[in-house]
Amino acid sequence: AAGVIQSPRHLIKEKRETATLKCYPIPRHDTVYWYQQGPGQDPQFLISFYEKMQSDKGSIPDRFSAQQFSDYHSELNMSSLELGDSALYFCASSPSWWVGGRGAEAFFGQGTRLTVV
Amino acid sequence: AQSVTQLGSHVSVSEGALVLLRCNYSSSVPPYLFWYVQYPNQGLQLLLKYTTGATLVKGINGFEAEFKKSETSFHLTKPSAHMSDAAEYFCAVSRGSQGNLIFGKGTKLSVKP
Repeated sequence: AAGVIQSPRHLIKEKRETATLKCYPIPRHDTVYWYQQGPGQDPQFLISFYEKMQSDKGSIPDRFSAQQFSDYHSELNMSSLELGDSALYFCASSPSWWVGGRGAEAFFGQGTRLTVV
Repeated sequence: AQSVTQLGSHVSVSEGALVLLRCNYSSSVPPYLFWYVQYPNQGLQLLLKYTTGATLVKGINGFEAEFKKSETSFHLTKPSAHMSDAAEYFCAVSRGSQGNLIFGKGTKLSVKP
């Protein structure tokens, strides 16, 4: 079965550089979530999209932006990178939230490990 | 506001022993609760979830959890641990109307031979 695809799997950037993370949801999933998991930490919700519109916002820094495109894939853009941005970034997708509501299962990708040096 | 507390950041059991991972939640609305498992350098895989209905929920790999409203708990159990169960386990509650998750701090399960 198709899963959530994230690219790249690993990324090394220098401080103050920019990075773009991509997420391809499971086909027919129209809701995408982004999470950040620091070393030894629990995942923290950043932002979500439903039908290409931002649906909720969590602890996403102003230096980060994201969008969902017409084919439902999503990109997380990170600028002015800081050492503290080093983390595992997960994308998750779920079918229309209104079908399952808050109980709709979110399927997670393998994550992108970003290292800022 | 919703929150999740996992008691014990590290649990160690012997192979074949009972696994019990504790999770308590706080929610101002009826909670939707989830358990996810994460293997090293991997994504999060759903073990089971509670939304409505039966309070005893069965998941994959022999895990189950019981929703107890009176105790605001959703503990994860497995009768007999296997070496392959060694991983980190996260309890989560669904937040807001859009379904994003609030995770607990995680419990790392070690299984001794």
